[in-house]
Amino acid sequence: GEDVEQSLFLSVREGDSSVINCTYTDSSSTYLYWYKQEPGAGLQLLTYIFSNMDMKQDQRLTVLLNKKDKHLSLRIADTQTGDSAIYFCAETSDTGRRALTFGSGTRLQVQP
Amino acid sequence: DADVTQTPRNRITKTGKRIMLECSQTKGHDRMYWYRQDPGLGLQLIYYSFDVKDINKGEISDGYSVSRQAQAKFSLSLESAIPNQTALYFCATSDRSATDEQFFGPGTRLTVL
Repeated sequence: GEDVEQSLFLSVREGDSSVINCTYTDSSSTYLYWYKQEPGAGLQLLTYIFSNMDMKQDQRLTVLLNKKDKHLSLRIADTQTGDSAIYFCAETSDTGRRALTFGSGTRLQVQP
Repeated sequence: DADVTQTPRNRITKTGKRIMLECSQTKGHDRMYWYRQDPGLGLQLIYYSFDVKDINKGEISDGYSVSRQAQAKFSLSLESAIPNQTALYFCATSDRSATDEQFFGPGTRLTVL
């Protein structure tokens, strides 16, 4: 079945850039997503990218997609303490099932 | 008011008890999902429903059952709770948009002793 993998933890200093990486196995993925989970809350969609795109930029967020290597990254510029959260990569494929497969999440810690 | 609500928010129960977790949504979405979250394992799909008459098993449906009482309501039952079902449970909804964005409830923290 589909698999999505992420590293578990990333620590950066306030003002630096953060890069969170994700790899996936499903070559038929159509959409890939980044969700953010703040402490005690559910997940919220941060951004998504369609599989025929290489890059998407949205304010401080840049998503890069390398389809050949099945690698997705999320770059957060000028990281703030409010960006501290768990970030989940997820994908869906055009199989009709249309349920998301999530990675295990990367905990981002931003040091002041 | 929140678009996706879950009740209860916290529950402690004993092994062997039957537990029901409820989810309601005001977004008018057809699709609803139940996930469990365990530390370091991300979210695992338990059951999903694409409309009132369509219920599907996810990756980890054993020990769980669901009921889609109406478009807006999707409940998850643990028929006989066991300690390894201790987890954070999330309900989510989505519509038929091409992006399939899911909207999550705040979660129910369940502890089985």
